[in-house]
Amino acid sequence: SQTIHQWPATLVQPVGSPLSLECTVEGTSNPNLYWYRQAAGRGLQLLFYSVGIGQISSEVPQNLSASRPQDRQFILSSKKLLLSDSGFYLCAWSMKRTPLHFGNGTRLTVT
Amino acid sequence: AQKVTQAQTEISVVEKEDVTLDCVYETRDTTYYLFWYKQPPSGELVFLIRRNSFDEQNEISGRYSWNFQKSTSSFNFTITASQVVDSAVYFCALSEASGASGGSYIPTFGRGTSLIVHP
Repeated sequence: SQTIHQWPATLVQPVGSPLSLECTVEGTSNPNLYWYRQAAGRGLQLLFYSVGIGQISSEVPQNLSASRPQDRQFILSSKKLLLSDSGFYLCAWSMKRTPLHFGNGTRLTVT
Repeated sequence: AQKVTQAQTEISVVEKEDVTLDCVYETRDTTYYLFWYKQPPSGELVFLIRRNSFDEQNEISGRYSWNFQKSTSSFNFTITASQVVDSAVYFCALSEASGASGGSYIPTFGRGTSLIVHP
């Protein structure tokens, strides 16, 4: 069966510090991978998605970047965090027509 | 462009009441998929159901039921005899078969409905 791992679960970082959130999927090959952010208003904002290694599409221009160095690994990064980067970050995977399956999320607080 | 509207921001009920969460969608595609997800206080989103646009049959799973009506572009979710454990934020989502970027089937989510079930 497929599983998705996302870490860390919580993170407190100062403004201006770098960020690296990692997500890995097991039990499947060539999944679509996604990074979402959920701010206090509860809506889910798609940040990045990837349909293959090295293929990243950005939905919202911002302070963040994503990379997919391996088939089942998706990394969300920032060189310098802003206060506005605080939120709940969710990684997800899917196959072409299947539902998204989400990780447990990372709660990021930028201080 | 696809759009999902969940007009109910928050619903509060007492245990054992029935509750319906509304979802209205917009799409120009004739082939699309609709989803419901549950987000309990712990944060992870849990997939509940997927329907495709060619299947308008209503579905029942235990206390959960879904009413898909293409005529009104709605995909409503009813919880019968609600329980405290049903307290969560519920998201409706839509993905078009034509998709973006060559059929990536990226879903668009509604803003969610927070359901609070009081004992």
